[in-house]
Amino acid sequence: GNSVTQMEGPVTLSEEAFLTINCTYTATGYPSLFWYVQYPGEGLQLLLKATKADDKGSNKGFEATYRKETTSFHLEKGSVQVSDSAVYFCALSDLRWGNDMRFGAGTRLTVKP
Amino acid sequence: DTGVSQNPRHKITKRGQNVTFRCDPISEHNRLYWYRQTLGQGPEFLTYFQNEAQLEKSRLLSDRFSAERPKGSFSTLEIQRTEQGDSAMYLCASSLGPPEAFFGQGTRLTVV
Repeated sequence: GNSVTQMEGPVTLSEEAFLTINCTYTATGYPSLFWYVQYPGEGLQLLLKATKADDKGSNKGFEATYRKETTSFHLEKGSVQVSDSAVYFCALSDLRWGNDMRFGAGTRLTVKP
Repeated sequence: DTGVSQNPRHKITKRGQNVTFRCDPISEHNRLYWYRQTLGQGPEFLTYFQNEAQLEKSRLLSDRFSAERPKGSFSTLEIQRTEQGDSAMYLCASSLGPPEAFFGQGTRLTVV
């Protein structure tokens, strides 16, 4: 079935460092891919998405490119801020296999000043 | 505020009691989802409504769990005879159509 595997955390970076959080997926079709962010005590917020191969999603300085050949959707940011500290979830959705969204286990990011 | 609203935000209950959570989706969103999130894990799908019809249920949704969406607006999730293993964050999400969903802030359930 469809699944998502995320880089294990936690990840600790200094402010202005480069961020990469790896995400790979398994799907038999052509899913849509997402990154969600969860701040402490809050629900999930959609950060960015890509609906087909080679699409690049971007938002708030974060980017991720849908790579079908490597089945990946890695999250990147060139210069992180303390306010980026949160848990990041990679997810996929493939409507041909149901209406649910499959999430990775999450990667906790802590950015130190 | 036009986001997904969930109530209560926190619920502490004794084992064996029944609890009910409410979700108010974004206006005009015809799709509504319930997820469960345990500590250190990503959300797991529980059930899905399109308008008032419950179209999908996960195997995680045991017979102690029931969800409704009367009139296709707000939804309730009830857990009967709660167990300690039910302690989790219960997340509601809504969408107007695929692929993405917009999440509420969740209801954190603690069963003591």
